[in-house]
Amino acid sequence: GQQLNQSPQSMFIQEGEDVSMNCTSSSIFNTWLWYKQDPGEGPVLLIALYKAGELTSNGRLTAQFGITRKDSFLNISASIPSDVGIYFCAGLRGNEKLTFGTGTRLTIIP
Amino acid sequence: SQTIHQWPATLVQPVGSPLSLECTVEGTSNPNLYWYRQAAGRGLQLLFYSVGIGQISSEVPQNLSASRPQDRQFILSSKKLLLSDSGFYLCASSRAGGDTGELFFGEGSRLTVL
Repeated sequence: GQQLNQSPQSMFIQEGEDVSMNCTSSSIFNTWLWYKQDPGEGPVLLIALYKAGELTSNGRLTAQFGITRKDSFLNISASIPSDVGIYFCAGLRGNEKLTFGTGTRLTIIP
Repeated sequence: SQTIHQWPATLVQPVGSPLSLECTVEGTSNPNLYWYRQAAGRGLQLLFYSVGIGQISSEVPQNLSASRPQDRQFILSSKKLLLSDSGFYLCASSRAGGDTGELFFGEGSRLTVL
């Protein structure tokens, strides 16, 4: 099946720093999405991208749908403690079910 | 927006015992429903999805089964649990109108099989 590789697997940053993470695939996707999972809870949708090259923001979060349609990027500016969690990318193509990435775990060092 | 209720939140069960996890959805009708499993520190594995009452598709062969007796109710079951069934189980619902990739997740049910 499809695989979405997320990088980095984990990040340790200080409050106030900017964060960048990405998601790559060997296959083309028509929709890219980013979810965040707080500890012990279900994931919550952050941003959905529907068009190659699309750049969408949600507050301090910005995500981009890669031009090749095989990747996507998520940036978080000026991180705060509540940004801690696991960030999952997800891709959708054709009639297939949503494919989730392996996740990026974000930890903020006091 | 939708609200997904899952219960129980936490479950500790012996090997060989049965399982029933329930999920109900509020705020929509005729959604696609999903059961995912998340092993510790890992990604999400799709177990079952349903496009309507009584319609269940299984993504991976396993020791579990699912049922959808009502439009907004989705149940995950097992007759005899295995150690490998331990994990965090998540129910999800799509927006009405099918698969856009935008899912609403429940708070999860953590299952430990001893």
